[in-house]
Amino acid sequence: DVKVTQSSRYLVKRTGEKVFLECVQDMDHENMFWYRQDPGLGLRLIYFSYDVKMKEKGDIPEGYSVSREKKERFSLILESASTNQTSMYLCASSLPATSGQGGNQPQYFGDGTRLSIL
Amino acid sequence: KQEVTQIPAALSVPEGENLVLNCSFTDSAIYNLQWFRQDPGKGLTSLLLIQSSQREQTSGRLNASLDKSSGRSTLYIAASQPGDSATYLCAVILGGSARQLTFGSGTQLTVLP
Repeated sequence: DVKVTQSSRYLVKRTGEKVFLECVQDMDHENMFWYRQDPGLGLRLIYFSYDVKMKEKGDIPEGYSVSREKKERFSLILESASTNQTSMYLCASSLPATSGQGGNQPQYFGDGTRLSIL
Repeated sequence: KQEVTQIPAALSVPEGENLVLNCSFTDSAIYNLQWFRQDPGKGLTSLLLIQSSQREQTSGRLNASLDKSSGRSTLYIAASQPGDSATYLCAVILGGSARQLTFGSGTQLTVLP
């Protein structure tokens, strides 16, 4: 079974702090993703990475950065946390679309980190 | 810009009923469509993935169909059980990007014992 592990289920930080959210997958997936989920807004893509040291902006990258130094680990960084970044953060991984059965691969998600910024 | 809509937002049914959840998308040039389940406070569990060339996929009591030309997908759940209670989300990947999922807002299903 695919395992995507997020380091914290719940996290409380203060405004202005630098916050790191960590995600590790054990299936040697090339693609990794960070989403946030908010009531009424659904899931929105923040950043994704299709290879080590590669990253691309999603729909809402402002206020965030990412790091992919190793294939299995994808970190989301809140440079200076603000209250509007209070949310549920979900990490996902997948094989690239060009491999596997017809090139379509599902995304597998972690259990999420519920982050509160005070 | 691709928009994904799920109707209804919430659904409550008695145990044993067959039910259908709906998903529609505005851009038919999709690469694939994926159905997920989310339990309260948890991440997403992948249920079914339909490639753009397929019409349907089945897994146990679940059957998902895809009609690209009309921009619709349905998730059919047979003989519903209380354990099926969760939020069901559909998501599409546009052809070309092959990476970025666009999600609907979900249908919250409650199966009453």
